[in-house]
Amino acid sequence: NAGVTQTPKFRVLKTGQSMTLLCAQDMNHEYMYWYRQDPGMGLRLIHYSVGEGTTAKGEVPDGYNVSRLKKQNFLLGLESAAPSQTSVYFCASRRTGAPETQYFGPGTRLLVL
Amino acid sequence: EDQVTQSPEALRLQEGESSSLNCSYTVSGLRGLFWYRQDPGKGPEFLFTLYSAGEEKEKERLKATLTKKESFLHITAPKPEDSATYLCASASGGGADGLTFGKGTHLIIQP
Repeated sequence: NAGVTQTPKFRVLKTGQSMTLLCAQDMNHEYMYWYRQDPGMGLRLIHYSVGEGTTAKGEVPDGYNVSRLKKQNFLLGLESAAPSQTSVYFCASRRTGAPETQYFGPGTRLLVL
Repeated sequence: EDQVTQSPEALRLQEGESSSLNCSYTVSGLRGLFWYRQDPGKGPEFLFTLYSAGEEKEKERLKATLTKKESFLHITAPKPEDSATYLCASASGGGADGLTFGKGTHLIIQP
């Protein structure tokens, strides 16, 4: 049982390039989340999904798109990367109902030059 | 808008020196208050969930408590391996949206 995994672990992009971050979970969780973590700030929610085929915006969605084509996978896309998107990205998942504990992946460190 | 504020930002203790970390929250309709531990270069690791004022939970040297405005993470006789950043987060409202996190407390336990 791997829990939540993220691919890649680290990536360097040039401004304007695109990429997709992959999150996978093997816990059969309905809900999945993408957060970003920046120095001096708490984790901030980018987008989330309450089930296969559904997505919703979080606190900081601009510049990102997401897709949940399969229950176990949640993809985060950057269409045209900007230096302001340099951050560490965390994926999390949880089951429906209480407790609402979210389980996090190991993170993807992204540097946009 | 929900707010979670943690203090202090950083704390350095000697091994065996007990202390408490504070998390004050302003949320409408608290559904849960969460504590996570985060080691450098890793994702947050779940510690506790608290649901109502007066609730307490313990795990080894850690004890989390909840009041109507604050939560405390008490660390008793800490060891160097307790060094980490401790994150507090709240879930509120009626939807399935994410947690609101504080900025964390960076804890260093010196041998």
